[in-house]
Amino acid sequence: DAGITQSPRHKVTETGTPVTLRCHQTENHRYMYWYRQDPGHGLRLIHYSYGVKDTDKGEVSDGYSVSRSKTEDFLLTLESATSSQTSVYFCAISAGLDYGYTFGSGTRLTVV
Amino acid sequence: KNEVEQSPQNLTAQEGEFITINCSYSVGISALHWLQQHPGGGIVSLFMLSSGKKKHGRLIATINIQEKHSSLHITASHPRDSAVYICAAWAGQGNLIFGKGTKLSVKP
Repeated sequence: DAGITQSPRHKVTETGTPVTLRCHQTENHRYMYWYRQDPGHGLRLIHYSYGVKDTDKGEVSDGYSVSRSKTEDFLLTLESATSSQTSVYFCAISAGLDYGYTFGSGTRLTVV
Repeated sequence: KNEVEQSPQNLTAQEGEFITINCSYSVGISALHWLQQHPGGGIVSLFMLSSGKKKHGRLIATINIQEKHSSLHITASHPRDSAVYICAAWAGQGNLIFGKGTKLSVKP
């Protein structure tokens, strides 16, 4: 049992369409994060959440929104997908500063 | 300018060699993480440390807060250690700053 699952694992979508990625945890951790990973860049923070309905922007938040209505779910939405949002998206969870991170398996999103 | 720099970017070793990957950071941090990303893409947390040294099996991680430097060592390397190793600095308030990774290939 991984404790964190991402869905879908792969998605191809057309430019201009909305897309929602889901991160689900069973660990009851307070912190949840969305990152994107692109060649030539390290993982970059899109948005994070420090509690239900408490979210904040990360380094590359433009074009993305998030919601966390329950402790276990953190949704990432691309309101109108663009080709520059083709990437691998990782969700991560953490219980706090003194604890490590657990990463999801990633979602490979292709915007055509 | 990346606030977390790793070296080398790529590393090829023969099985059994001792391996060192370095990480330097310019931000003030509370903790530093070492992560492993397998060829299949999954990311695993190896260590989180804020001082001194930690050891797990053949992996050893050290950090020098004053010099803003951390190292990851692998003893008796094995082909299954082939992966990308990533260091990430925790700069507070949910902000992990990642290095670009070191791609390690261990040849049998």
